[in-house]
Amino acid sequence: RKEVEQDPGPFNVPEGATVAFNCTYSNSASQSFFWYRQDCRKEPKLLMSVYSSGNEDGRFTAQLNRASQYISLLIRDSKLSDSATYLCVVTLSGNTPLVFGKGTRLSVIA
Amino acid sequence: NAGVMQNPRHLVRRRGQEARLRCSPMKGHSHVYWYRQLPEEGLKFMVYLQKENIIDESGMPKERFSAEFPKEGPSILRIQQVVRGDSAAYFCASSPDYTEAFFGQGTRLTVV
Repeated sequence: RKEVEQDPGPFNVPEGATVAFNCTYSNSASQSFFWYRQDCRKEPKLLMSVYSSGNEDGRFTAQLNRASQYISLLIRDSKLSDSATYLCVVTLSGNTPLVFGKGTRLSVIA
Repeated sequence: NAGVMQNPRHLVRRRGQEARLRCSPMKGHSHVYWYRQLPEEGLKFMVYLQKENIIDESGMPKERFSAEFPKEGPSILRIQQVVRGDSAAYFCASSPDYTEAFFGQGTRLTVV
């Protein structure tokens, strides 16, 4: 089983739609969780950290489910500019690297 | 506070030459990660360093690849005797501790 798994998509949604991505992780000892966004041929950019209590930033909501070992990202009122690949990132505490999922591709269509 | 700086942005090398990729972390960041990304593929972890120490190099090929993060100066990823399969985007990220990391714009290596 891969450490971090994501549905590669693509998810093609119309503007204004709500879309959700899930990401599962294999190591139950994982401590920190993030969502990054990567545009074509650009560097990944931090979208948001994922806290145990869940967190919201504008149209974006991230949640963590430790029991089932997954994190989710919900995007409301999708914009054309949300089109990108969304990367799930997990790390253990201590001297361990960030582990990236392969990403979920989102296309928002006018 | 400048972001993570990588140079060069584009690098062309002939097979058998050496490639040196540089990464200057954000000010105050002592953790550096290197990742490789092939076209249409995900980010693959290569190496994780803290100042003067290699913490985890489990993703680095055993031969031809090396990395360092000296006390002074940028982190360097060095690829000796490059082959066509080394052509990829190499991203560096830095972090102040064991939390979120911030990426540089990457170096696109082309081996001809």
